[in-house]
Amino acid sequence: DTGVSQNPRHKITKRGQNVTFRCDPISEHNRLYWYRQTLGQGPEFLTYFQNEAQLEKSRLLSDRFSAERPKGSFSTLEIQRTEQGDSAMYLCASSSSGTGYGYTFGSGTRLTVV
Amino acid sequence: RKEVEQDPGPFNVPEGATVAFNCTYSNSASQSFFWYRQDCRKEPKLLMSVYSSGNEDGRFTAQLNRASQYISLLIRDSKLSDSATYLCVVRTMNGATNKLIFGTGTLLAVQP
Repeated sequence: DTGVSQNPRHKITKRGQNVTFRCDPISEHNRLYWYRQTLGQGPEFLTYFQNEAQLEKSRLLSDRFSAERPKGSFSTLEIQRTEQGDSAMYLCASSSSGTGYGYTFGSGTRLTVV
Repeated sequence: RKEVEQDPGPFNVPEGATVAFNCTYSNSASQSFFWYRQDCRKEPKLLMSVYSSGNEDGRFTAQLNRASQYISLLIRDSKLSDSATYLCVVRTMNGATNKLIFGTGTLLAVQP
């Protein structure tokens, strides 16, 4: 395990369908983050877990979005009833406790809603 | 107003040039500061942390001015391989809050 792993790498779905993405963080990292990035923008924070506890959710995360990290290891992000505006790169990152540390990002899942 | 503001560029510079990127942040409670590099259609990768005393890593120099809430990155002797988007990032930790806030990024294109 040398990095953060995300699956799938690409997902094309029809509007109205549900999709689920998975993130496997670096094994010794207790913190996990989900971000969304659209073209020409920096990554936008969606949600943050410390171990299995979801400690913060952005207002960007509508009720169609849900994230879990059931055993404090991998995490899933589900989008229900997808809309074209959900098309973006969904990035997962992990970090260790402590201040001053940057995050390690996965390669992302690129979602296209048609 | 965005929490982290950057000039989106693009900055088109010849090889060997020196280029400087600037960034401002609005949350005075921000505690850690970084520059990330993002290649086209790839994930962001940590370039360097930024400290008030200034820090250097080879051709890259980063500076933080907490009083002005201003962060800079200087790249000397630009290489073609430096072409990428440079993201200014601040981290805020306050109670349950612990997140990185990204600027929109500045696109650098180094020309041969």
